[in-house]
Amino acid sequence: NAGVTQTPKFQVLKTGQSMTLQCAQDMNHEYMSWYRQDPGMGLRLIHYSVGAGITDQGEVPNGYNVSRSTTEDFPLRLLSAAPSQTSVYFCASRPTGPNQPQHFGDGTRLSIL
Amino acid sequence: GQQVMQIPQYQHVQEGEDFTTYCNSSTTLSNIQWYKQRPGGHPVFLIQLVKSGEVKKQKRLTFQFGEAKKNSSLHITATQTTDVGTYFCAGNAGGTSYGKLTFGQGTILTVHP
Repeated sequence: NAGVTQTPKFQVLKTGQSMTLQCAQDMNHEYMSWYRQDPGMGLRLIHYSVGAGITDQGEVPNGYNVSRSTTEDFPLRLLSAAPSQTSVYFCASRPTGPNQPQHFGDGTRLSIL
Repeated sequence: GQQVMQIPQYQHVQEGEDFTTYCNSSTTLSNIQWYKQRPGGHPVFLIQLVKSGEVKKQKRLTFQFGEAKKNSSLHITATQTTDVGTYFCAGNAGGTSYGKLTFGQGTILTVHP
């Protein structure tokens, strides 16, 4: 039972480069989310999806794109990396319904030089 | 938009002392969830509170949800070194936004043996 799998675990990019952070879950969860965690800021929601083909913006969406072509996968794309996007990124999923806990992946530690 | 404030940001205690973290939302919540993140790890779900005035206990941990469903607290009795980590509250406003959780900034707990 893998749960939520994020790849890569670590990444260093140069300013202006693009990349995709991968997230996959094997629990058949409809809801998936991407958060970034910065010191003193808690977890801030970037984008989320309530099902395949449906995505919406969270609190800090600028500079990031998402798509949800399948229930299992929810990739996060950085279009043109900036030093301000240096952070730890967590993907999470949860079942349908209003009172369900989120299951988090192990995170991707991203540094932009 | 919805804001969730959590205090204190840091708490240092001696092993055996009690610890409390407080969470306040700018809006009425449908439910509130608590997560624990060990150093270098990912957030792990602890508990969810749904009802006004609800109190739940997990061994040495006591969780409360305010009568107005806008504030919550987590109290740990007789802390142990295994309690070290960051504790987050996360609020769900419900309604059409029930896919989104808004996290507090977290309280970093250090326990000195």
